[in-house]
Amino acid sequence: GNSVTQMEGPVTLSEEAFLTINCTYTATGYPSLFWYVQYPGEGLQLLLKATKADDKGSNKGFEATYRKETTSFHLEKGSVQVSDSAVYFCALSGANAGKSTFGDGTTLTVKP
Amino acid sequence: NAGVMQNPRHLVRRRGQEARLRCSPMKGHSHVYWYRQLPEEGLKFMVYLQKENIIDESGMPKERFSAEFPKEGPSILRIQQVVRGDSAAYFCASSPPGGLATNEQFFGPGTRLTVL
Repeated sequence: GNSVTQMEGPVTLSEEAFLTINCTYTATGYPSLFWYVQYPGEGLQLLLKATKADDKGSNKGFEATYRKETTSFHLEKGSVQVSDSAVYFCALSGANAGKSTFGDGTTLTVKP
Repeated sequence: NAGVMQNPRHLVRRRGQEARLRCSPMKGHSHVYWYRQLPEEGLKFMVYLQKENIIDESGMPKERFSAEFPKEGPSILRIQQVVRGDSAAYFCASSPPGGLATNEQFFGPGTRLTVL
């Protein structure tokens, strides 16, 4: 079955530091890949997505590239802000519509 | 354009009672998904429904849990005879018709169930 493995947290960075959160996946076929962000007490919000190999998703300074050869979708941001503190989830959706499979989440704390 | 609505946002039940969680998908969306998030864990898929049909319930516990998405009205996740282990955040998501995997899911704010 499908699975997503995320870098374990928590991750604590200083403001303006570089962020990488690793994500690798196992799936049959050609899944779509997503990063979601969850702020305290809220639901998940889509941060970015990529639907085929070598696609780069980007939003709000965050980027992730769909790497089929390494089955990875690592999240990066060049300069984090305090407001980026949240839980980040990597997810995939299989070739047929239906459930998404989520990683366990990585908690990011950015200190001023 | 309202997003996915869930209510109640917080629900407290005593062991043995029933919990009913409601989800109204985004306007025009006909696919609904329910996920459970235990404390400090990721989201685990429970069930995928389209109007009046259960498409995939592979993540639903075999007993006490049921879900429906009637022709009219919200989707309901029902938990009978709740136990303390049911305490979690339950999230609903919706996606538009067409059934493409490229469609992201839009999440509601969740219902946080506490079983005393």
